[in-house]
Amino acid sequence: GEDVEQSLFLSVREGDSSVINCTYTDSSSTYLYWYKQEPGAGLQLLTYIFSNMDMKQDQRLTVLLNKKDKHLSLRIADTQTGDSAIYFCAEILRSGAGSYQLTFGKGTKLSVIP
Amino acid sequence: GAGVSQSPRYKVTKRGQDVALRCDPISGHVSLYWYRQALGQGPEFLTYFNYEAQQDKSGLPNDRFSAERPEGSISTLTIQRTEQRDSAMYRCASSGGTDTQYFGPGTRLTVL
Repeated sequence: GEDVEQSLFLSVREGDSSVINCTYTDSSSTYLYWYKQEPGAGLQLLTYIFSNMDMKQDQRLTVLLNKKDKHLSLRIADTQTGDSAIYFCAEILRSGAGSYQLTFGKGTKLSVIP
Repeated sequence: GAGVSQSPRYKVTKRGQDVALRCDPISGHVSLYWYRQALGQGPEFLTYFNYEAQQDKSGLPNDRFSAERPEGSISTLTIQRTEQRDSAMYRCASSGGTDTQYFGPGTRLTVL
């Protein structure tokens, strides 16, 4: 996960917006992903963005991609206590063997204060 | 099935024992991936199957780790002679031919 970097912690008040940032290294990544991990649960795919897009909006989620700076962000509007989780940024790379390997950051733990 | 399933959800074993972890992908998904996630880290790639063919095993840490998917559906990841450093969450993901991977709940392995 060293190729993808995220801040480790973020704390916000309920109702505020959360912004989770990520930097990645490989400009050939075709897609970039955000996964959510809740305690005792699996990795849930939240959203993804194709590398030729700048922005994608999906209900309360907005993904921004700055390909020049290799910077990805996830904005959660009107953050709720149920949004408390660890959020992973991931880039996908095609290996020489033909697999599409996900490379993950270490995850950002979002804590929502009621 | 509706999603990726994995079993067991939790496995505690003694050092030196062999363990087998099972993954049942989403029905019809041809691609299957195994990842390992240490505490406080993101998942790291272990191996990849396209149908029954293991096309990429570059992430397997050593020859104690092996995986199979004999009929192109269910996969088993086997760790022989387990060591304490093998303790981690083992995650399986499947994909239907696009790049997007859907993960199962994982198996938490603890080696005592």
